[in-house]
Amino acid sequence: SQQGEEDPQALSIQEGENATMNCSYKTSINNLQWYRQNSGRGLVHLILIRSNEREKHSGRLRVTLDTSKKSSSLLITASRAADTASYFCATDPAGTARQLTFGSGTQLTVLP
Amino acid sequence: DTGVSQNPRHKITKRGQNVTFRCDPISEHNRLYWYRQTLGQGPEFLTYFQNEAQLEKSRLLSDRFSAERPKGSFSTLEIQRTEQGDSAMYLCASSPRNWGGGTEAFFGQGTRLTVV
Repeated sequence: SQQGEEDPQALSIQEGENATMNCSYKTSINNLQWYRQNSGRGLVHLILIRSNEREKHSGRLRVTLDTSKKSSSLLITASRAADTASYFCATDPAGTARQLTFGSGTQLTVLP
Repeated sequence: DTGVSQNPRHKITKRGQNVTFRCDPISEHNRLYWYRQTLGQGPEFLTYFQNEAQLEKSRLLSDRFSAERPKGSFSTLEIQRTEQGDSAMYLCASSPRNWGGGTEAFFGQGTRLTVV
């Protein structure tokens, strides 16, 4: 079963706009990660936020984490057509680093 | 180098046949994972190796599935008596020793299996 659920399932925006994706999870976590997947390809790690962190930035990416609500958001600012991809959140519910549990993803389309 | 390598990239097989996939992780990574991904879904965990030891197996990994990592280097995933429901992308990932402290998993490009 999937630990995380992303919202929305699909998002279409114009180039230059910001894109926000949300992730909710069920159990306590050690850390939460966001990955990107281009169509038919493997996943690429974007950013990791630890359970004691509330916000983290990396380039045009901003991730927030609210452990009280068991939710995280990924903001991509000034989107580009190349940002078109599926975005997944992933958690390590057992804190053992032995597996990641992924959500079902948000399909982002950035229109030129 | 450089990244996680998976072979083959695509595999079409007839129902009932056996298939084997290979994963070569990043050389210094001692942790190796297999995931399965179907269309429109996120990856689902199958199994985890730390060095050569298989330490975690998902309930998804039926007795038709077997994975090995001899000598703690490359890994193979074999599916026996394939069924149409096995059609999916099989992803391999590796990570370095201190992943528990919060490092990323590096994924290969995947092997897309189609069972006809």
